[in-house]
Amino acid sequence: DGGITQSPKYLFRKEGQNVTLSCEQNLNHDAMYWYRQDPGQGLRLIYYSQIVNDFQKGDIAEGYSVSREKKESFPLTVTSAQKNPTAFYLCASAGPISTDTQYFGPGTRLTVL
Amino acid sequence: RKEVEQDPGPFNVPEGATVAFNCTYSNSASQSFFWYRQDCRKEPKLLMSVYSSGNEDGRFTAQLNRASQYISLLIRDSKLSDSATYLCVVSLSGGYNKLIFGAGTRLAVHP
Repeated sequence: DGGITQSPKYLFRKEGQNVTLSCEQNLNHDAMYWYRQDPGQGLRLIYYSQIVNDFQKGDIAEGYSVSREKKESFPLTVTSAQKNPTAFYLCASAGPISTDTQYFGPGTRLTVL
Repeated sequence: RKEVEQDPGPFNVPEGATVAFNCTYSNSASQSFFWYRQDCRKEPKLLMSVYSSGNEDGRFTAQLNRASQYISLLIRDSKLSDSATYLCVVSLSGGYNKLIFGAGTRLAVHP
């Protein structure tokens, strides 16, 4: 059963803590993306990776970090430097044939207490 | 000006109605166009791609006007299950396929 998984579904964090969100795909996609979604706004790109061991900043990368050690995995760390981390975080992947069609995981809802 | 603009709605329509959503984009270098559907507190799912010639998938028809930088989605014979937020999405050319998302138009279909 191919797809993208994200865990956990809900995450609560105290201010000042780093937290890592998981994203795994078994679609054999090269490209992976992280977005955040805030109420009433479109998705905004945090980081993306087109190939293993390479990743690039998106539009709102400050306060976030990623790694891409395996093709299947693209974890996102929300650091304490992120000023307003409460949001819905979505991971997506694309390729290799239809590289501009992205498929999304179910998302992680992060709440900072 | 936002790169992709949509009327936020909500559009409240009865079952069986025809409803149309519009979207404008600002970057003339945009290459590909999509409509995604997002249910409440869920991930976006691809509804359909949009082509210059227009395309139809059952009750859904999408149109693209490159000259006016305008995209539309028409839903005929609305069902209760069509209630969702519809996201207009544009892909830019460049080193990778960057997607720009509109904020979405909310549709509520009532009995």
